[in-house]
Amino acid sequence: GNSVTQMEGPVTLSEEAFLTINCTYTATGYPSLFWYVQYPGEGLQLLLKATKADDKGSNKGFEATYRKETTSFHLEKGSVQVSDSAVYFCALISNFGNEKLTFGTGTRLTIIP
Amino acid sequence: ETGVTQSPTHLIKTRGQQVTLRCSSQSGHNTVSWYQQALGQGPQFIFQYYREEENGRGNFPPRFSGLQFPNYSSELNVNALELDDSALYLCASSLQLAGGEQYFGPGTRLTVT
Repeated sequence: GNSVTQMEGPVTLSEEAFLTINCTYTATGYPSLFWYVQYPGEGLQLLLKATKADDKGSNKGFEATYRKETTSFHLEKGSVQVSDSAVYFCALISNFGNEKLTFGTGTRLTIIP
Repeated sequence: ETGVTQSPTHLIKTRGQQVTLRCSSQSGHNTVSWYQQALGQGPQFIFQYYREEENGRGNFPPRFSGLQFPNYSSELNVNALELDDSALYLCASSLQLAGGEQYFGPGTRLTVT
């Protein structure tokens, strides 16, 4: 079956530090890959996505590249801000069957001023 | 454009009771998916509805059931509540076969005592 593995958290960084959150996946076929963010007390918001190999998704300074050869979709940001503090979820949708999202366990990110 | 809304926001039930959660999908979307998010975990897929028919189900028992209405809104019903059903229930709407992008509501926090 499909699965997503994220780096274990929590992650604590100082403001303006470089961020990487690792994500690897196992899936049938050629999945679409997503990063969702969940701010405290809120639902999930789509941060970025990539639908085929070598695609780069980007939004709000965050980037992730779909690497088929390493089955990875690592999230990066060059300079984090306090407002980036949230829980980040890597997820995939397989192109077989229904369009259900399979999520990782989430990585809690805290940015210190 | 109206986003995904869910009601109620919070709910407290007693073990053995039944509960109904509601979701209004985003305008133009024909698919609704339900997810259960336990504390500190990633969301788990419960089921999906497309054009009023169930279009896939996760590893949840039959006491979890749902409906989708002609206006694409949806209900999640849970019978014989158990303590482990305490979680955040998320509804997501999407347009089938449009790249898998799902838009989430704020969730309903269910507490079973």
